[in-house]
Amino acid sequence: EPEVTQTPSHQVTQMGQEVILRCVPISNHLYFYWYRQILGQKVEFLVSFYNNEISEKSEIFDDQFSVERPDGSNFTLKIRSTKLEDSAMYFCASSEGTSASSPLHFGNGTRLTVT
Amino acid sequence: GNSVTQMEGPVTLSEEAFLTINCTYTATGYPSLFWYVQYPGEGLQLLLKATKADDKGSNKGFEATYRKETTSFHLEKGSVQVSDSAVYFCALSPQGGSEKLVFGKGTKLTVNP
Repeated sequence: EPEVTQTPSHQVTQMGQEVILRCVPISNHLYFYWYRQILGQKVEFLVSFYNNEISEKSEIFDDQFSVERPDGSNFTLKIRSTKLEDSAMYFCASSEGTSASSPLHFGNGTRLTVT
Repeated sequence: GNSVTQMEGPVTLSEEAFLTINCTYTATGYPSLFWYVQYPGEGLQLLLKATKADDKGSNKGFEATYRKETTSFHLEKGSVQVSDSAVYFCALSPQGGSEKLVFGKGTKLTVNP
């Protein structure tokens, strides 16, 4: 069964550094998402992406964050200058249709640790 | 605003025990409701869903009924197995075309043989 893959599984970075989290969504899916889960807290929506542009973003997704689908297969999340509070598990997801009508398929996540 | 509250874990049960994980929500209108499950080392995957009041979602022996009057979507299974050990997340998709899912904190279930 096709699946969403995320790399790396664990990323350690120093505060102020840029990180790029990578995802390969399922190939025929049209909607792409990033969520994150800070340890012990809820899974939080960051951003959705459709038709090569951001369709919705949360208040967490400020100017430090950006997303890109550079080559038709990868979907990346960039954090320009990481802060300690960015430490979390970041999940990529994709779906055929909208989240209300189609199940989201999640990757295994990237654990980001900012020191 | 939209929010989901689910029972605090962890929950530990013996095999063949009855499972209930409570979930209540706050939302305007008629959201769609979901249960996602995360097995160890894997990503979240959809377990079941319900899109309107009184709908019952079911899958792999799990059931949940969309109760508008109590704003609840409790997850139940009559007889759990060791392989059901996982983290269970209740979630909603707001009415009105929002793309985001709003999740609860997750409830860790451990089933012992």
